[in-house]
Amino acid sequence: KQEVTQIPAALSVPEGENLVLNCSFTDSAIYNLQWFRQDPGKGLTSLLLIQSSQREQTSGRLNASLDKSSGRSTLYIAASQPGDSATYLCAVSSTGGFKTIFGAGTRLFVKA
Amino acid sequence: SAVISQKPSRDICQRGTSLTIQCQVDSQVTMMFWYRQQPGQSLTLIATANQGSEATYESGFVIDKFPISRPNLTFSTLTVSNMSPEDSSIYLCSVQLAGYEQYFGPGTRLTVT
Repeated sequence: KQEVTQIPAALSVPEGENLVLNCSFTDSAIYNLQWFRQDPGKGLTSLLLIQSSQREQTSGRLNASLDKSSGRSTLYIAASQPGDSATYLCAVSSTGGFKTIFGAGTRLFVKA
Repeated sequence: SAVISQKPSRDICQRGTSLTIQCQVDSQVTMMFWYRQQPGQSLTLIATANQGSEATYESGFVIDKFPISRPNLTFSTLTVSNMSPEDSSIYLCSVQLAGYEQYFGPGTRLTVT
């Protein structure tokens, strides 16, 4: 049974700092891994999708990496801004199935 | 990508009543998903809705409590029946596009008093 863990659960950083959010999963037979952002009381916004054959994806200040063999992904945020404050969720879709398993999220606070 | 809307965005309901949440997608999709997010928690899949067939429910969720309709490829409803305060959550509609990429609606915040 796939389990997704995100560390840390919460993170507070000063504006301008580069930071890394971690995601680990127990079953390496994944189809893809997706990072989402969720603002309080809102839905999820897709940030980056990494297919199982890919090692990383980049969008603006965001870079996501995937190491399938070790069951890990990282989301790197460069030059953080107060507007980056949100909860970041990692989600994994497993091979042979369409169900997506979510981590509990990392709550990020960027101080101005 | 997909643009998903949900109605209502939020509601406050009394115990024992029912609420139907609507989900509309701007393109035709095979699978639609309904999730629940309880306060401070991550997402839990309630059911998967395919057009033209009965929804498939996850363990712990039953059709009598969460009936789902999927009348066409762009629309679905989720009803939360006989509500109790424990049903207070954000309910999220989601679709999967090519490559299993998921998109979510803005959510419906439900408070049961």
